[in-house]
Amino acid sequence: EAGVTQFPSHSVIEKGQTVTLRCDPISGHDNLYWYRRVMGKEIKFLLHFVKESKQDESGMPNNRFLAERTGGTYSTLKVQPAELEDSGVYFCASSRMGLGGEQFFGPGTRLTVL
Amino acid sequence: GESVGLHLPTLSVQEGDNSIINCAYSNSASDYFIWYKQESGKGPQFIIDIRSNMDKRQGQRVTVLLNKTVKHLSLQIAATQPGDSAVYFCAENSGGGADGLTFGKGTHLIIQP
Repeated sequence: EAGVTQFPSHSVIEKGQTVTLRCDPISGHDNLYWYRRVMGKEIKFLLHFVKESKQDESGMPNNRFLAERTGGTYSTLKVQPAELEDSGVYFCASSRMGLGGEQFFGPGTRLTVL
Repeated sequence: GESVGLHLPTLSVQEGDNSIINCAYSNSASDYFIWYKQESGKGPQFIIDIRSNMDKRQGQRVTVLLNKTVKHLSLQIAATQPGDSAVYFCAENSGGGADGLTFGKGTHLIIQP
């Protein structure tokens, strides 16, 4: 089966611009997660979708970040306006419903804000 | 706040030797623990997991040990190979696996020829 895919792989934007990251989870996986790793820090949880509903968005840093998962399939994470501290690698993961769902990670999107 | 952390940022071992990577966690409610391996340019790759009702679990060349008394997790890799060179992360959650994960900082494992 195809793994989690993310687009783009790299994005370089200027401060104040908008960027939208996309994640396509593994087919049939109802759980979808966004994480990010900023330079020198550990991977941090951002939010969790169950199908199209936000289950937990406690990790979202501020209201410049907006995640959507219309239709419960792919998800987008928009940063508007981007700030320098938003630079990092954004990972998406997905898992099946129920306990013990191993989270499969995508390759990540490297975001650089200049 | 509560966190998961790693004792050593870099571990260098000879090819063929066994390696042990350690991790401490602070959330006593954690009930699901995972080790991930991340190679350059790739996302974290699942290695092995363990639930809080177990203290040991074995996979192919890997063993995870969980000591809930001291909140300690370790990953043992037997007969290390060059392909084992990567950054290893421990992660945990308290939702049985369905919640967002809390990651440690990562240990860079270097395999010396």
